[in-house]
Amino acid sequence: KAGVTQTPRYLIKTRGQQVTLSCSPISGHRSVSWYQQTPGQGLQFLFEYFSETQRNKGNFPGRFSGRQFSNSRSEMNVSTLELGDSALYLCASTMDYNTGELFFGEGSRLTVL
Amino acid sequence: DQQVKQNSPSLSVQEGRISILNCDYTNSMFDYFLWYKKYPAEGPTFLISISSIKDKNEDGRFTVFLNKSAKHLSLHIVPSQPGDSAVYFCAVLNNAGNMLTFGGGTRLMVKP
Repeated sequence: KAGVTQTPRYLIKTRGQQVTLSCSPISGHRSVSWYQQTPGQGLQFLFEYFSETQRNKGNFPGRFSGRQFSNSRSEMNVSTLELGDSALYLCASTMDYNTGELFFGEGSRLTVL
Repeated sequence: DQQVKQNSPSLSVQEGRISILNCDYTNSMFDYFLWYKKYPAEGPTFLISISSIKDKNEDGRFTVFLNKSAKHLSLHIVPSQPGDSAVYFCAVLNNAGNMLTFGGGTRLMVKP
């Protein structure tokens, strides 16, 4: 069974640009969440999607957005990049969020120069 | 405000000894508590969980203890092995069941 796949794994952008990250969940998983990991703030929740609906959103500015497609694949977008957006962006999928057991991808490491 | 805190950023133990990782939380309404382990260049992996109706859950070398009155969670690893060296995150599940809030992590180093 394939795991959660995130692309691209690494990318470098400059301030003001925008970026789109992609996540393919484990087959059969309908819930997809995104988390940001930084050295200073740890792992922070961005948003969660289930069956193409955003069910929850973390405390991030509107520059951070996401969506989920009918095949459960998800994308997140960050517009007008800032230096502080440099982070590891992790996608996680699950069949049942109520257990808290999420399956994480390896992440997309974004560097903003 | 940090709802979940891991006060020890790092911990070093000898192989074969017990590792104890600690976590404090502020909201007594949380129902589900979890531990994740993260190796460099990998995503976090689920390790063990406990619901608020229990005070202990065991899985092989890993045991999680929950002290609800103290709002304290701990993970015991016995015996510790070098392969356990990783960053450990505690996490709580929100009541809607669609978001995890993580602690800042504790880096465990198990020395051979």
